[in-house]
Amino acid sequence: GDSVTQMEGPVTLSEEAFLTINCTYTATGYPSLFWYVQYPGEGLQLLLKATKADDKGSNKGFEATYRKETTSFHLEKGSVQVSDSAVYFCALTDSSYKLIFGSGTRLLVRP
Amino acid sequence: DAGVIQSPRHEVTEMGQEVTLRCKPISGHNSLFWYRQTMMRGLELLIYFNNNVPIDDSGMPEDRFSAKMPNASFSTLKIQPSEPRDSAVYFCASSSRFGNYGYTFGSGTRLTVV
Repeated sequence: GDSVTQMEGPVTLSEEAFLTINCTYTATGYPSLFWYVQYPGEGLQLLLKATKADDKGSNKGFEATYRKETTSFHLEKGSVQVSDSAVYFCALTDSSYKLIFGSGTRLLVRP
Repeated sequence: DAGVIQSPRHEVTEMGQEVTLRCKPISGHNSLFWYRQTMMRGLELLIYFNNNVPIDDSGMPEDRFSAKMPNASFSTLKIQPSEPRDSAVYFCASSSRFGNYGYTFGSGTRLTVV
């Protein structure tokens, strides 16, 4: 079945560092891809999305590009802030429109 | 819009008791999903509805779990009897247009069974 694999955390960075969280997927069709963020004690919030190959999703300084040739959707941000500390989930919708999540990557940004 | 509303936010109950979790999806969304989150297993899809009809309940752990969606604005997840291993955060999410535009999640219900 369809699946999502993302890098294990935690990822620890200093403020203003460059962030990359890797995400690859396996899917039989043409899924839509998503990044969600979960702050401590809260639910998941949609961060960005891409619905077809070569689309770039962006929001709040975060970006991810749908790469069909490498089946990847890596999350990047040029300069992280302490307030970006959270758990980030990569996800896809499969052919039945269920949202399938990766295991999550915890990001800790130090001042 | 108030978003997806879940209640209660926290629930502590004794083993063997019945627990009912509630969810109000965003108005106009036609799909509703129940997820469970634990440290050990991450996010698990329990069941989802489309137009109030259960489509896939293969993630429901066992017969102790049941979910209903009597109308487009309300859903419940019931556990009877509850067990300590049911302790988790339960999230409800809703979406429109088959989820291709993403889901909106509620704030979750933290369930503790003692």
